[in-house]
Amino acid sequence: EAGVTQSPTHLIKTRGQQATLRCSPISGHTSVYWYQQALGLGLQFLLWYDEGEERNRGNFPPRFSGRQFPNYSSELNVNALELEDSALYLCASSLDRTGSSNQPQHFGDGTRLSIL
Amino acid sequence: GESVGLHLPTLSVQEGDNSIINCAYSNSASDYFIWYKQESGKGPQFIIDIRSNMDKRQGQRVTVLLNKTVKHLSLQIAATQPGDSAVYFCAENNAGNMLTFGGGTRLMVKP
Repeated sequence: EAGVTQSPTHLIKTRGQQATLRCSPISGHTSVYWYQQALGLGLQFLLWYDEGEERNRGNFPPRFSGRQFPNYSSELNVNALELEDSALYLCASSLDRTGSSNQPQHFGDGTRLSIL
Repeated sequence: GESVGLHLPTLSVQEGDNSIINCAYSNSASDYFIWYKQESGKGPQFIIDIRSNMDKRQGQRVTVLLNKTVKHLSLQIAATQPGDSAVYFCAENNAGNMLTFGGGTRLMVKP
């Protein structure tokens, strides 16, 4: 069974540009999550999508946005890039929608975003 | 994936010994906890989980202990192997399926 896949592996942008990161969940998983792993700050929750809807959002500005497609894949968009956006962006997927049955989130290997 | 920060707590153990990695969580209302392993250049890999109605759960070579009274979680790895060298994170599931991660512990296994 294929795991969570993310593309691109690496992305280099300059300040003010826009970045689009992509994620394909494990087959059968409907929930997709995005996390930021910045050096010194650990993993921070960004967004949760399920059935095409944004279900929860972390403490990030509105220039971080995303969407989920009918096939459950997802995009993360970051507008007006700033130097501090340099980080590893991780996508995870799970079976669970409501959280009540607490299914584990399984992660991809991330997209390394570097802002010059 | 790579180590989080430059000052991760490090646990150094001899190959074959048992390892215990500890974690303090923050939210007494959290009802689900997960341990992840992150190797260099990779994303976090699921190891084991535990729900708040349990105190202990065992997997293959790993055991997770949950002490809700003091909001403490531990991961025990039996017969530690060189392949266990990685950064280990605990995570608590808050409302809205948001995982809150601990800062991580680097495990180094000496041959």
